[in-house]
Amino acid sequence: GEDVEQSLFLSVREGDSSVINCTYTDSSSTYLYWYKQEPGAGLQLLTYIFSNMDMKQDQRLTVLLNKKDKHLSLRIADTQTGDSAIYFCAPASGGSYIPTFGRGTSLIVHP
Amino acid sequence: DVKVTQSSRYLVKRTGEKVFLECVQDMDHENMFWYRQDPGLGLRLIYFSYDVKMKEKGDIPEGYSVSREKKERFSLILESASTNQTSMYLCASSSEDRLSSYEQYFGPGTRLTVT
Repeated sequence: GEDVEQSLFLSVREGDSSVINCTYTDSSSTYLYWYKQEPGAGLQLLTYIFSNMDMKQDQRLTVLLNKKDKHLSLRIADTQTGDSAIYFCAPASGGSYIPTFGRGTSLIVHP
Repeated sequence: DVKVTQSSRYLVKRTGEKVFLECVQDMDHENMFWYRQDPGLGLRLIYFSYDVKMKEKGDIPEGYSVSREKKERFSLILESASTNQTSMYLCASSSEDRLSSYEQYFGPGTRLTVT
């Protein structure tokens, strides 16, 4: 099955950019999602990218996909304290479209 | 607005008890999922269902069963709760419609403690 790796913690200062990296193993992944979990809540879809794209920009969020290296990243510009949360990388293979979740990266934003 | 609700936010049960976790969604989604979330392990899929009365095992089905008698409701059953089932349980639903990008909508979670 799919294996998804991401670092467990990232600490940044308010106003800086945050970059969360993810590697995955299944080259047939077609939808690659980023979900966000705020404290005490369930997960919410933040953004996603199709496998035929290299980059997707959505306001402060930029997703980069390197299919050859099976590497996905999420960049948050001008990080705010409200961005403190756990971010999950979740690629989904064609066919089932059921995502496999990474362990989650806890983003801590210092004022 | 899609809403996924779970019957309890917190639950404390004794070892050996039968435990029911209920999940209801109001968007007529075909697919429903049960995950457990443990620190450092992320989300692991227990069971999912793509239709009424249909179920498929996920990655960690041992010790669990599920029931889907109505489209909007998906129940997770712990036949005989054990301490290693202490965890956060998350329910999710998604549509089969490609225009939805197969986004999963999550409930707030049930934190189950088995003593």
